[in-house]
Amino acid sequence: DSGVTQTPKHLITATGQRVTLRCSPRSGDLSVYWYQQSLDQGLQFLIQYYNGEERAKGNILERFSAQQFPDLHSELNLSSLELGDSALYFCASSDRPITGGQETQYFGPGTRLLVL
Amino acid sequence: GESVGLHLPTLSVQEGDNSIINCAYSNSASDYFIWYKQESGKGPQFIIDIRSNMDKRQGQRVTVLLNKTVKHLSLQIAATQPGDSAVYFCAESSWGILTGGGNKLTFGTGTQLKVEL
Repeated sequence: DSGVTQTPKHLITATGQRVTLRCSPRSGDLSVYWYQQSLDQGLQFLIQYYNGEERAKGNILERFSAQQFPDLHSELNLSSLELGDSALYFCASSDRPITGGQETQYFGPGTRLLVL
Repeated sequence: GESVGLHLPTLSVQEGDNSIINCAYSNSASDYFIWYKQESGKGPQFIIDIRSNMDKRQGQRVTVLLNKTVKHLSLQIAATQPGDSAVYFCAESSWGILTGGGNKLTFGTGTQLKVEL
């Protein structure tokens, strides 16, 4: 158990809908990362937040957005869903201050999203 | 329609043998490398890491080797056990000066390790 929690575990929805995925980082971790893992793309970095502020952006679609709240939990919002958005969405948190260099990311169990 | 999945390379080993999983990385500016293990239905789990100023690091039953000249990383698992069966990913990271200070991880496509009894 990494200490990172994600809800819900599974989500089934229809095209065009909007969903919110939630992540609680490990106690004390200030950084939260979101990743998408699909069958044909592997693990792709989406976005990072540090202490409430966006710090890095990867291959995140404009239909997707995220935020990190004062209690450090984070939400990933996916809107106008398409069939191709079906994937596993992972949240990770890390334990180092953002001063540069190495930090280990600990992953949650993921949310499996199925868009029908 | 038919879905197309990643064709993961597969390594099959006998229980008790040593396993070597290889990874080629692309960014010569990467200064930190991590191996993750992902079991079916679970999130990636940290195994071991290595910084670019090292060429070898050992953990419990695992060793990571880094060859910066050819941008190659390997994970060695000693006395492989059935519980080691999983997909193994290498990930590279560089301090995100260009990305605003984030430590973005770039993952390889993964290798499926199958341990045969």
